[in-house]
Amino acid sequence: GENVEQHPSTLSVQEGDSAVIKCTYSDSASNYFPWYKQELGKRPQLIIDIRSNVGEKKDQRIAVTLNKTAKHFSLHITETQPEDSAVYFCAASGNSGYALNFGKGTSLLVTP
Amino acid sequence: NAGVMQNPRHLVRRRGQEARLRCSPMKGHSHVYWYRQLPEEGLKFMVYLQKENIIDESGMPKERFSAEFPKEGPSILRIQQVVRGDSAAYFCASSPQGSEETQYFGPGTRLLVL
Repeated sequence: GENVEQHPSTLSVQEGDSAVIKCTYSDSASNYFPWYKQELGKRPQLIIDIRSNVGEKKDQRIAVTLNKTAKHFSLHITETQPEDSAVYFCAASGNSGYALNFGKGTSLLVTP
Repeated sequence: NAGVMQNPRHLVRRRGQEARLRCSPMKGHSHVYWYRQLPEEGLKFMVYLQKENIIDESGMPKERFSAEFPKEGPSILRIQQVVRGDSAAYFCASSPQGSEETQYFGPGTRLLVL
C-alpha cells in the first residue's frame, strides 16, 4: 500500500523566517496531495492541496510544490508567525482513490 | 455551516464495554471517512462510507469494529468489547459529491479505555 514519509519531525524557526516541510510517497498512482494543520486538541484543518497535473500552488504565505517523477512534495510557509505553530501533516490519496495516507506529522514552532 | 460534527467529544469506557462514536457530515456532503490517530502519530484510514453503503473498509480491524451511515441520521463507528489499545482519537471527515478527496475533518472523539 501507499507509504508517506514526512520530515523533519520537529522544526523550530524564528518569526519572519521561512519553513519547509517535505514528504515522499511510494504509490505512483497517487494523484491528490493535501496538507493539514492541527493545533493541540483540535481538528486537522485543510490548508492547501495540490493535484498531480499541477507542479506548484500558492495561497498567500503558503505554497506547495510537487515533483511527480521523484514522488515528493513540499510545503513552504513564508514570513512565519507565532500562530503558525502547530503540527502539519501531509497526505496522499491511496490506490483505492479516496482514502488518504498521512505522514507522521511535523511539529512546527515559531518563536517571536 | 456548522461543519462536521462529532459526539461525544470524550468517551471513557472500561475494557469489554462498547463504544459508539457519531459523526454528522457537513451539509450537502454525502461521503464520510473515519480515521484513527494514536498519540504522536498521523491519522490512519479506517473506513469510507456513502449513505447506506460501505465503499472501502480496508483499514478497519477485522473484529470488533463496524461502521454504518444510514439513510437518516449520523454515521456511527462502533467498537465492541473495547481493549486498552483502542484508546485513541477518532476523527470523522466528510466530502462533497464530485470532490471526494477533499476531506474536512470533525473535532474528533477521544476514547479512553480503562
